[in-house]
Amino acid sequence: NAGVTQTPKFQVLKTGQSMTLQCAQDMNHEYMSWYRQDPGMGLRLIHYSVGAGITDQGEVPNGYNVSRSTTEDFPLRLLSAAPSQTSVYFCASSSEPTGGGNSPLHFGNGTRLTVT
Amino acid sequence: TQLLEQSPQFLSIQEGENLTVYCNSSSVFSSLQWYRQEPGEGPVLLVTVVTGGEVKKLKRLTFQFGDARKDSSLHITAAQPGDTGLYLCAGAISGTYKYIFGTGTRLKVLA
Repeated sequence: NAGVTQTPKFQVLKTGQSMTLQCAQDMNHEYMSWYRQDPGMGLRLIHYSVGAGITDQGEVPNGYNVSRSTTEDFPLRLLSAAPSQTSVYFCASSSEPTGGGNSPLHFGNGTRLTVT
Repeated sequence: TQLLEQSPQFLSIQEGENLTVYCNSSSVFSSLQWYRQEPGEGPVLLVTVVTGGEVKKLKRLTFQFGDARKDSSLHITAAQPGDTGLYLCAGAISGTYKYIFGTGTRLKVLA
């Protein structure tokens, strides 16, 4: 009954370092997405994928890369970390397009990233 | 940029009081969802409203979607400490996989 699993839970990086945030889901969902959550700003979409091999940019994509080689996994890469990327990152998955209205997002428990 | 404004941003009330949280936008959404988030966890879906004017009830929580599908409200009757959390609304953009999230309302219910 895992749902969406994110690792690590916490990470501290120095400016300029790179790292990958992992996300895996076991619900066979086609849609996966990455959000960042900052105080007073809600959740902002970074990148999303509608299936293996297909990715697209969201609202705040700069400084992040994604790939989707399998249905289950959707890693988020920080190429050269900056203090502005200090945030809590959430991965989410869903089974259907939003138009149907019955496709809730299933979220992981987040990765808290600090860039010094 | 599409925005979803939530109000109030913070709310601290006594157990047993009623409250309403608002979610407003100038954009039309195909559906709107409400989530609750506990500290250290991801948001969890409470409800989805799809039709303009729709009202849904979940125990003491009542959700309404505006007639024009641009706004929504969440009303909690007789709030309890277990209602404490961050409430987020999210509007679905028709034909895409994108959701626009509101800025959040942090609710604290005091015993």
